[in-house]
Formats: sequence, structure tokens, C-alpha cells
Amino acid sequence: DAKTTQPTSMDCAEGRAANLPCNHSTISGNEYVYWYRQIHSQGPQYIIHGLKNNETNEMASLIITEDRKSSTLILPHATLRDTAVYYCIVLYNFNKFYFGSGTKLNVKP
Amino acid sequence: DSGVTQTPKHLITATGQRVTLRCSPRSGDLSVYWYQQSLDQGLQFLIQYYNGEERAKGNILERFSAQQFPDLHSELNLSSLELGDSALYFCASSVDPVSTGELFFGEGSRLTVL
Repeated sequence: DAKTTQPTSMDCAEGRAANLPCNHSTISGNEYVYWYRQIHSQGPQYIIHGLKNNETNEMASLIITEDRKSSTLILPHATLRDTAVYYCIVLYNFNKFYFGSGTKLNVKP
Repeated sequence: DSGVTQTPKHLITATGQRVTLRCSPRSGDLSVYWYQQSLDQGLQFLIQYYNGEERAKGNILERFSAQQFPDLHSELNLSSLELGDSALYFCASSVDPVSTGELFFGEGSRLTVL
């Protein structure tokens, strides 16, 4: 199973872009990369997912390297409400979404 | 509002007791997932059901069991409770996460074992 590695925490100034990295060097060819976030103790919220190509939606952009061994989630204009734990997940077998420790993003005014 | 309903929101009980947590998935979602989140920990996948059948099993203790009923709601039963079982228990539902990538999470049930 592909595992992910994320920094424990990151800071970002309000209004600036937040770039959250994720390493998934053992990812296999048909495994998707998913990003979720959890604000305080609420239920996690889906952000975006991708396989090979870069993806963008109203919340964020996902950049996946050509070798697919790493990816970056980009929040283009971070706000205080984006302070959360961000989880990078590689889907493993029959929909088992394994959430790691994630990155605690602190958006500061 | 994700459309996933979990009850109860809070539950306080004693060691050795048994509790049942309930989850109603979003309308139309056939898959239900259960996760455990202990204090300041990540989410631990427990189990998944699809249309009444167990689909995948994670780190679920033998003291825990779950089922999904014909109306698609699910229950997580926790027995012989220990202090370490105190946690947030989340339920999530989905149509097809492989294609949509999206799990919809409830607000969680906070269990405190004293």
C-alpha cells in the first residue's frame, strides 16, 4: 500500500498562497491522490483528487509530479478559515481511505 | 451540512459498558464507513459497508462490531468499553469514492469512557 509523508505543520500568511506538499513515492499506477481537510474536530471535508493530470476546482489546485511520487495542494488565497489539518491520501484497495497524521496549516493574519 | 446524520452527538459511559452509535448516510449513498479519532490523533479506518455487506475492514477491535441495515443506516457497537476507547467516532458515506473521490462525513459522536 502506498503511504504518504506530509510535514507536521506549516504557517501561511492570510491572503497568500498555501502550498502543502505530500510525498507518495510508492504510489502505483492506478492509485488516485486525494486531499481532505479537517477543521477543528469537525468531520473531514473533501477538497480535490487526481490521478496524473493537475486538477483545479473552486477550493484548490492539485499539482502531481510527472513521476507521481509527490503532489502539492495549493490554496491560492488562504484565509483564516482555511486553518485546518490537511490530509493527503492515496487510495488503497477497495475504498480504504487511510488518513495519516496530516499537515496542520496555520493561517495567520 | 453533509447530509450524514450521526447520533448521539455526545455519550458518557463507564468502563465495561456497551454502546451503540448510529449513522444515517446521505440519501442515495450505498457505502458507509466508520472511523475512530482519538485525542490529537489521525483518523483510524475501522470498517466499510456497501449495500448491507461488509466491504473492507481496518483496525477494528474484536470488541467492536458494525452492521448496515436494509434501509442503509449503520450502527457501530462498542462493548466492554475501556478508557482508551474514548474518542470521536465518525461515519462517512459515499456513492462511489473511486470515481468521485468524495466521502461525506457526519459531525461525529464523541464517546467518553470514565
